[in-house]
Amino acid sequence: NAGVTQTPKFQVLKTGQSMTLQCAQDMNHNSMYWYRQDPGMGLRLIYYSASEGTTDKGEVPNGYNVSRLNKREFSLRLESAAPSQTSVYFCATGTGQGGETQYFGPGTRLLVL
Amino acid sequence: RKEVEQDPGPFNVPEGATVAFNCTYSNSASQSFFWYRQDCRKEPKLLMSVYSSGNEDGRFTAQLNRASQYISLLIRDSKLSDSATYLCVVPPGYSSASKIIFGSGTRLSIRP
Repeated sequence: NAGVTQTPKFQVLKTGQSMTLQCAQDMNHNSMYWYRQDPGMGLRLIYYSASEGTTDKGEVPNGYNVSRLNKREFSLRLESAAPSQTSVYFCATGTGQGGETQYFGPGTRLLVL
Repeated sequence: RKEVEQDPGPFNVPEGATVAFNCTYSNSASQSFFWYRQDCRKEPKLLMSVYSSGNEDGRFTAQLNRASQYISLLIRDSKLSDSATYLCVVPPGYSSASKIIFGSGTRLSIRP
């Protein structure tokens, strides 16, 4: 079992470029999450999906869109990247709706120039 | 008051020492709490969960003080491999993931 996988591991973008971060899980969990982690800021929730077909905004959704393609996959899209979106992005899964253990992917390091 | 607050550290202690750090939270409705461990440039991983007054797992003890709204993590007989950042996580106390709050973490460094 791979658990939670993320692609790509690293990415460098120029301001204004777009890209999609992919996340897949084989844990059969209902909930999936996207976080960003910046130095000294902790993890901040961007978007989450409580179940297939539903998505909701988290704390910092501006500049991002998400798609819950099926139970396994949850993608995060940056339509027009900005330097402020330079961060480490983590995808996570969980069995419930926030009060449960979360399992994280290895992260995507994004640099926007 | 911040919703979840941790002393950022770093805590620098010798191998074999006992170290403890706290996490304060503001949402009195929260029912469950978690400590995650994050190694440098890695993803967070669950260390312990705390649902009532406390939890113990080997050298690690997590305690909850609802009256003062803090949870603590105690590490006994610390090992070099305990060096990491420890994140406190406070779910909202109701079924909504939008308010999960991660603390910014406490850095722990164990020296030989």
